[in-house]
Amino acid sequence: EVQLVESGGGLVQPGGSLRLSCAASGFTFSSYEMNWVRQAPGMGLEWVSYIRRSDNTIYYADSVKGRFTISTDDAKNLLFLQMNSLRAEDTAVYYCTRDPSGPVTHDYWGQGTLVTVSS
Amino acid sequence: EVVLTQSPGTLSLSPGERATLSCRASQSVYSSFLGWYQQKPGQAPRLLIYGASSRATGIPDRFSGSGSGTDFTLTISRLEPEDFAVYYCHQYHYSPFTFGRGTRVDIK
Repeated sequence: EVQLVESGGGLVQPGGSLRLSCAASGFTFSSYEMNWVRQAPGMGLEWVSYIRRSDNTIYYADSVKGRFTISTDDAKNLLFLQMNSLRAEDTAVYYCTRDPSGPVTHDYWGQGTLVTVSS
Repeated sequence: EVVLTQSPGTLSLSPGERATLSCRASQSVYSSFLGWYQQKPGQAPRLLIYGASSRATGIPDRFSGSGSGTDFTLTISRLEPEDFAVYYCHQYHYSPFTFGRGTRVDIK
């Protein structure tokens, strides 16, 4: 069974840092592209970042470029999102999602982890 | 950035009725990279449609997607009680990838 489990969320002050993790199981993690998608309280979905392992292609939303870094540890089946210089508008539930590549995207989602940026 | 405009914002319908949701892109999107997602309160979103018209695994055939270029549609042929939720379209053709703001389907 495919499972994605996020962790690492919490309360952080503006300007602070946080690293989110996503533990993947039930599939060959290193063969899949992965994403982070977030959702501010009461708001819609916002794509954050994407990683494609075959050629190390990485994309970011303009709102997080230069502040967030996506990475993986394929030996441990882990996806990370390092978040620096956090702002109040980064407050959201962060989901990791799986991409089988080709026309299918976000076919599996984790349950999400809440990040709150506040003083 | 490709802006996806979903309409209407809210659709109030009764069980058994047909729902038609629209997603319009600010520039042409390759249809292979247009998806639809359903989200219920307190849950993660679920993939319904990928490639504009292909149903994801386990999705009932009352859900269908169509369209190309800049205009895409999600149709629910006969609403079941469990279909009342928020629906998002998503393009993953051009980075930054983008979602629409969603259409809420409410019980009338």
